[in-house]
Amino acid sequence: DTEVTQTPKHLVMGMTNKKSLKCEQHMGHRAMYWYKQKAKKPPELMFVYSYEKLSINESVPSRFSPECPNSSLLNLHLHALQPEDSALYLCASSQDHFGVDTQYFGPGTRLTVL
Amino acid sequence: GESVGLHLPTLSVQEGDNSIINCAYSNSASDYFIWYKQESGKGPQFIIDIRSNMDKRQGQRVTVLLNKTVKHLSLQIAATQPGDSAVYFCAENNYGQNFVFGPGTRLSVLP
Repeated sequence: DTEVTQTPKHLVMGMTNKKSLKCEQHMGHRAMYWYKQKAKKPPELMFVYSYEKLSINESVPSRFSPECPNSSLLNLHLHALQPEDSALYLCASSQDHFGVDTQYFGPGTRLTVL
Repeated sequence: GESVGLHLPTLSVQEGDNSIINCAYSNSASDYFIWYKQESGKGPQFIIDIRSNMDKRQGQRVTVLLNKTVKHLSLQIAATQPGDSAVYFCAENNYGQNFVFGPGTRLSVLP
């Protein structure tokens, strides 16, 4: 089973709202990732969690706050977003972040900020 | 910084023909490569990977070729089907570092 699940599938929020994106995997992977993907562009890395600790933050604005409650779950908390943050947010996981391992992606959350 | 690029941003092929999608990479230290397929509204789906100690790897209807001399990667799809229509991304990884994605190629399969 190489499934990564994400909820919700779609999210519309105002600039003053607080919302969260959720990601789950049960493959025993110890590295999890958040990517942002704009239309017709490749995914851009936002955060990397390795063994439940934040190991990489690609200079993402503080209005995006990641959280890894346990090895299977990854959240992305959203607050005071801007319309330009509208995008597809992808979660991925891999065996770990130290070697070279396949990353498996979830279906994404389509976020629209009004 | 270094990046992965594609020669052809769009590719149209007749159903049943073979497709070849190309990718040029610039980091000679990269040692792992993946091809992903992304259909509209979905996340990238793993297709096939190859490590730098190989120059060819075959899957079901797909073959990846790696030419380290010229830093070139290609994905060959045999007997292309309508369900193969999607955007294809190559991604490279330098051991322990992050994946770098290419800009993507849209494959359109014509009836």
